[in-house]
Amino acid sequence: NAGVTQTPKFRILKIGQSMTLQCTQDMNHNYMYWYRQDPGMGLKLIYYSVGAGITDKGEVPNGYNVSRSTTEDFPLRLELAAPSQTSVYFCASSTQGARYNEQFFGPGTRLTVL
Amino acid sequence: AQKITQTQPGMFVQEKEAVTLDCTYDTSDPSYGLFWYKQPSSGEMIFLIYQGSYDQQNATEGRYSLNFQKARKSANLVISASQLGDSAMYFCAMREGLRGTALIFGKGTTLSVSS
Repeated sequence: NAGVTQTPKFRILKIGQSMTLQCTQDMNHNYMYWYRQDPGMGLKLIYYSVGAGITDKGEVPNGYNVSRSTTEDFPLRLELAAPSQTSVYFCASSTQGARYNEQFFGPGTRLTVL
Repeated sequence: AQKITQTQPGMFVQEKEAVTLDCTYDTSDPSYGLFWYKQPSSGEMIFLIYQGSYDQQNATEGRYSLNFQKARKSANLVISASQLGDSAMYFCAMREGLRGTALIFGKGTTLSVSS
């Protein structure tokens, strides 16, 4: 099992550009999440999904969009990138069937918007 | 109001000593779960330990234990016999509700272990 994989690992965007952060999990987890981590801070939830076709906003959804067409994939779309979106982005997944329902995290994508 | 508070920005400990990282939480939901994650300098998030609100005993996982004081709403992480590899950022997080989903994270504590 690869667990949760994210691409790319690093990206530099210019203001106004768009991009998609990819996230895939191979654990058949029904729950998936996107968080952002600003320097020296904890993680904040952007969007989450409880299953294919179902998504919902988290604490900081503005400037982002998501879709969940399959159980495995949960891409995060940035439209019109802004410097405030410079952050490290983590994708995570979990399942209700796990012992602690803990979330498994991907390695993160470091995004810089200039 | 913050739901998860970690008041120690940085902690320093020598190898083989024990260290306690503080975490207080705020929720009105009687059902919740508390997690600790480790984030080394490489950046990944590593799950360490879990405590459920209805668990009668404090959780333990190897050198990690959780000092759960429900009435005080605290869930401190205790690392025994610190090792150099324990140097990292540590996050306390909470999931509200039995069927809750996302985690609410604190700002983290940086632990530095010296020889």
